[in-house]
Amino acid sequence: GENVEQHPSTLSVQEGDSAVIKCTYSDSASNYFPWYKQELGKGPQLIIDIRSNVGEKKDQRIAVTLNKTAKHFSLHITETQPEDSAVYFCAVMGRRALTFGSGTRLQVQP
Amino acid sequence: DAGITQSPRYKITETGRQVTLMCHQTWSHSYMFWYRQDLGHGLRLIYYSAAADITDKGEVPDGYVVSRSKTENFPLTLESATRSQTSVYFCASANDRPNSPLHFGNGTRLTVT
Repeated sequence: GENVEQHPSTLSVQEGDSAVIKCTYSDSASNYFPWYKQELGKGPQLIIDIRSNVGEKKDQRIAVTLNKTAKHFSLHITETQPEDSAVYFCAVMGRRALTFGSGTRLQVQP
Repeated sequence: DAGITQSPRYKITETGRQVTLMCHQTWSHSYMFWYRQDLGHGLRLIYYSAAADITDKGEVPDGYVVSRSKTENFPLTLESATRSQTSVYFCASANDRPNSPLHFGNGTRLTVT
């Protein structure tokens, strides 16, 4: 099945700095790549997604880039704020359902 | 807008007991999923359903049973709970295809003693 690796597992940045989280995947046929944010005690929530016919997508301070040849995609958060502190998961559409990365705990220091 | 609700939020049970986790969605979404979340493993798919009366195994189905007699409900049953099933369980739904955005419930934290 699909294998998704996510790095780093923890990330600490100063408020206002940028944060980058990277994921690699194994199945070259995958065509849907969402990112989820999970706050304490809650379920994951979609923050941005990208499909394989697009190389980059932006939504305000969040962007995702996709390199299908290298089979990796990244989440970029600019001008980080304390409320960005959470666990972030990448995911890849496999044959039947989404396969998730192991998560990145982002801590934004005020 | 109730969305997707899971019950109970917390459950403690003993090894060998049967436990059922409930999931209910109000959107009439076709697809529903059960994931478990463990430290270092992210979210792993247990079972999913494409429609009422259609279910299929995910990555880690052993020890679990699901049913979907109605579109809005997707209960997960642990037939004989084991300590390795201690986890946080998330139910999710998606509208018309599995690669549309997933909407998650707030999870059930299950402890098996």
